[in-house]
Amino acid sequence: DTGVSQNPRHKITKRGQNVTFRCDPISEHNRLYWYRQTLGQGPEFLTYFQNEAQLEKSRLLSDRFSAERPKGSFSTLEIQRTEQGDSAMYLCASSLIGEENTGELFFGEGSRLTVL
Amino acid sequence: AQSVTQLGSHVSVSEGALVLLRCNYSSSVPPYLFWYVQYPNQGLQLLLKYTSAATLVKGINGFEAEFKKSETSFHLTKPSAHMSDAAEYFCAVSDQMDSSYKLIFGSGTRLLVRP
Repeated sequence: DTGVSQNPRHKITKRGQNVTFRCDPISEHNRLYWYRQTLGQGPEFLTYFQNEAQLEKSRLLSDRFSAERPKGSFSTLEIQRTEQGDSAMYLCASSLIGEENTGELFFGEGSRLTVL
Repeated sequence: AQSVTQLGSHVSVSEGALVLLRCNYSSSVPPYLFWYVQYPNQGLQLLLKYTSAATLVKGINGFEAEFKKSETSFHLTKPSAHMSDAAEYFCAVSDQMDSSYKLIFGSGTRLLVRP
């Protein structure tokens, strides 16, 4: 399967702990996006990378959140000192930006975080 | 700023009936528009997209949508609902002038299909 892969699929943690999610995009894709989805809502944009460069961060991405894409391949999203309000599904998506850009994003199955 | 409004958080239809899910967007320039479907505990799968070509777009699983600039709408339809269509549907917009190509999503419509 060469789709977008996310790990872990589920994470339960206690408030105040740190968690890290990993995303492996489709191999030839140069763009990688992180979204957050809470129950009953649509996905909300958090940040995106082109290759290894983080080009935009949403105001939703507080100082406790950090994302990296060190070699322009996989990406990690770390949440420090988790709060109950961080409970959500974290979605990763990738795309190939080239001569013809249609903006289609390919999504992974998400990582569900529950903070107790 | 771009935004998307999906009217009706829940839509219920009988199996075999017409499916109509509504989406209106706000944008200063014609955007790219998308419909995605999400099954429980899964990611989003693209159903169809509008990228300034034909205004009537056909997608997977018998779905189609029509871009109407005068109404700023991109409603999703399917002539005959199937039980397997029960899922959450999201309309999304992307600004052609925004180099990020990030998608802005609506709040979603949950489609229930009654036997």
